[in-house]
Amino acid sequence: EVQLVESGGGLVQPGGSLRLSCAASGFNFNKYWMHWVRQAPGKGLVWVSHINSDGSSTTYADSVKGRFTISRDNAKNTLYLQMNSLRAEDTAVYYCTRANSGPDIWGQGTMVTVSS
Amino acid sequence: DVVMTQSPLSLPVTLGQPASISCRSSQSLVYSDGNTFLNWFQQRPGQSPRRLIYKVSNRDSGVPDRFSGSGSGTDFTLNISRVEAEDVGVYYCMQATHWPYTFGQGTKLEIK
Repeated sequence: EVQLVESGGGLVQPGGSLRLSCAASGFNFNKYWMHWVRQAPGKGLVWVSHINSDGSSTTYADSVKGRFTISRDNAKNTLYLQMNSLRAEDTAVYYCTRANSGPDIWGQGTMVTVSS
Repeated sequence: DVVMTQSPLSLPVTLGQPASISCRSSQSLVYSDGNTFLNWFQQRPGQSPRRLIYKVSNRDSGVPDRFSGSGSGTDFTLNISRVEAEDVGVYYCMQATHWPYTFGQGTKLEIK
């Protein structure tokens, strides 16, 4: 079964850091680009970042550029999102998605709450 | 950024009746290779999004054939031929032609 399982979310103070992980299974992880998409409570979906299949190319939304870093370990079939200098407006459920003419497979999401 | 505008934002529908959601983009979604990367997603209450349609009109595996997508250029539509109770949720269009990818605001489908 094709599956994405996120972890690493939690409560963090403004200015703090978190690293999200996404474990992939059931498909050839190293063949696919991957994305992170987030959803603030009660709000819509917002694309955050993507990474190509070998990790050599990354792109970020302006709202997270310079603070977030996407990476992957193809040997471990795992996608990461390192989030630094977190702000209250980063509070959201973060979804890991597989790229296949757009996000086709989504994880269950992990909640990140930035609050003092 | 490409702005995706959905209408209506709220869609009350009687069971068994058809439903239609419009999505318009601020610029053409035709990519240089001729493909149009317009997707439709369904998000049921408390669940992750699920993709229904890719490249305007292609249904993802397991998606009931009562869901269909159409359109071209900047104007797209998701149609549900006969709404069932399990279709309740929020529907989003998303363009994957231009960076950054962008989503519509969402259309909340409810049963009348």
